[in-house]
Amino acid sequence: AQSVTQLGSHVSVSEGALVLLRCNYSSSVPPYLFWYVQYPNQGLQLLLKYTTGATLVKGINGFEAEFKKSETSFHLTKPSAHMSDAAEYFCAVSLRIDFGGYNKLIFGAGTRLAVHP
Amino acid sequence: NAGVTQTPKFQVLKTGQSMTLQCAQDMNHNSMYWYRQDPGMGLRLIYYSASEGTTDKGEVPNGYNVSRLNKREFSLRLESAAPSQTSVYFCAAKGTGGLYGYTFGSGTRLTVV
Repeated sequence: AQSVTQLGSHVSVSEGALVLLRCNYSSSVPPYLFWYVQYPNQGLQLLLKYTTGATLVKGINGFEAEFKKSETSFHLTKPSAHMSDAAEYFCAVSLRIDFGGYNKLIFGAGTRLAVHP
Repeated sequence: NAGVTQTPKFQVLKTGQSMTLQCAQDMNHNSMYWYRQDPGMGLRLIYYSASEGTTDKGEVPNGYNVSRLNKREFSLRLESAAPSQTSVYFCAAKGTGGLYGYTFGSGTRLTVV
């Protein structure tokens, strides 16, 4: 069975500083990996995903993540934090099914990012 | 371009009452999902429907039932609400194939007193 662990329920950074949100996964087969962002009182929005191919994935709003199979990790980074990045971030894993498709997502507990001036 | 629409947005129930959360999507996607979100626990899958006419249990199905009424609609029913079901509920839809991501609704905030 797949599972996801996000290290740190709260992360606080200064505006302009590096953002690093950690995600480790457990899966018996090569997984599909995702990062979602949730702004207050809203649904979830996809930031980026890894399915196959290049292990460094670039997403929206300047975020990127690197799939490291040997470390079973998929950490999310952004070189310079902006105040608007303050939100909750969720890492998720899924298994490939049916010719490259995937089905149910299993989410981590989430990391709340605070950005201060 | 509504995507996924959930109703109601807010609801307060008394213990033992029943209600149905509605979800509709206009993207012609095959798969639909119900998640609940609780502080410190992320989103947990309640039920999902991989295609019209099929439903399957997720991680936390107890106390819930679902109906995939047609391709557009996937409802979640609480037959006898309990305080432990106080949560924010999200519906999502997804197309077939790896290129598609999940599209989430804006959520239903349910309080059971």
